[in-house]
Amino acid sequence: QKEVEQNSGPLSVPEGAIASLNCTYSDRGSQSFFWYRQYSGKSPELIMFIYSNGDKEDGRFTAQLNKASQYVSLLIRDSQPSDSATYLCAVTLSGGYQKVTFGIGTKLQVIP
Amino acid sequence: DAGVIQSPRHEVTEMGQEVTLRCKPISGHDYLFWYRQTMMRGLELLIYFNNNVPIDDSGMPEDRFSAKMPNASFSTLKIQPSEPRDSAVYFCASSLKGGGGYTFGSGTRLTVV
Repeated sequence: QKEVEQNSGPLSVPEGAIASLNCTYSDRGSQSFFWYRQYSGKSPELIMFIYSNGDKEDGRFTAQLNKASQYVSLLIRDSQPSDSATYLCAVTLSGGYQKVTFGIGTKLQVIP
Repeated sequence: DAGVIQSPRHEVTEMGQEVTLRCKPISGHDYLFWYRQTMMRGLELLIYFNNNVPIDDSGMPEDRFSAKMPNASFSTLKIQPSEPRDSAVYFCASSLKGGGGYTFGSGTRLTVV
């Protein structure tokens, strides 16, 4: 079992819709969770982080965390073509909080 | 702030040659990470430093890989000898406190032929 699992996609959504990106992790001791966005040919950039169970909102982005289910998600409201990118879920593992393990990433395509 | 600076942006080398990748972290960041990204395996942590000291090199694939951080503003990742399976994008990232809030450099795309 991979430490951080994501569906590689592509996930296609129409412009204006809600995009839902999901991630599961295997380490119950994980404490910190991150979402990075990576445009094709570019480097990852941090867009959201969440530490506590529940929702965290930032503009059109909402991160959701459920530690009991070992599940973290990212919702993008009013999706725009400029949101088309690969979204990487990253998790700190217990015993090594300074480093994160990344999922393979989900490619999102927003169709105009 | 110039961000994390990596060089070169692209490197094409022949199998068996030595390759050196360079990174300048953001000033004041205490943590520096080297990652490798491929389509098949995604982003993999190779090694990370805290205050110039290597903390965890368990991700370094084999003895052909080595990394150094002689001072707070410079790090190198060296591959000797290089092999075609080393072809990937190598990212350097830095962080103020570790723990996942990283700033990545633009990466070095390495092709070994």
